[in-house]
Amino acid sequence: NAGVTQTPKFQVLKTGQSMTLQCAQDMNHEYMSWYRQDPGMGLRLIHYSVGAGITDQGEVPNGYNVSRSTTEDFPLRLLSAAPSQTSVYFCASSYQAGPYEQYFGPGTRLTVT
Amino acid sequence: AQSVTQLDSQVPVFEEAPVELRCNYSSSVSVYLFWYVQYPNQGLQLLLKYLSGSTLVESINGFEAEFNKSQTSFHLRKPSVHISDTAEYFCAVSGKGAQKLVFGQGTRLTINP
Repeated sequence: NAGVTQTPKFQVLKTGQSMTLQCAQDMNHEYMSWYRQDPGMGLRLIHYSVGAGITDQGEVPNGYNVSRSTTEDFPLRLLSAAPSQTSVYFCASSYQAGPYEQYFGPGTRLTVT
Repeated sequence: AQSVTQLDSQVPVFEEAPVELRCNYSSSVSVYLFWYVQYPNQGLQLLLKYLSGSTLVESINGFEAEFNKSQTSFHLRKPSVHISDTAEYFCAVSGKGAQKLVFGQGTRLTINP
């Protein structure tokens, strides 16, 4: 199993550009989520999904869109990048929400200039 | 809603010394509690978790954490640390029946030889 994969590993964007961060898992997990990690702030939940076709907002959803057309994939779209979105982004998956271990991808380091 | 406070942003200790990383949580419902570890330039991985039953839970590499309901705490301890324990540690909480995992701000553990 590859586990949770994320692409790209690094990305530099100019303000106003859009892009999609890719996330895929091969563990047949129902629950997937996106977090951003900023120094001193821990991980903050952006969006999550409890199954294909179902998504919901987390703590910091503004400026981001998600969709879940398949169990395996959960892409995160930045609509119009802003310097405040400079961060490290982690995708995670688990069997279901609640008491189950979340498996994290290696992260995408995004810089917006 | 749930929240987590990690009381120390950095903890420096000497090799083979004991360490305690503090975590307090807030919730109006029963909770699941987790400690995740992030080694440099990697994603997070589960260290240990409390779901129910015995309030003392252990990891395979010598860490333990105790759930204290009256003090709403879930502190992480290790009696003797090793250089390889250098990492950032995150406490996280999920309310039973909730679909979100809430992380604390993280504690950076630095081991000095």
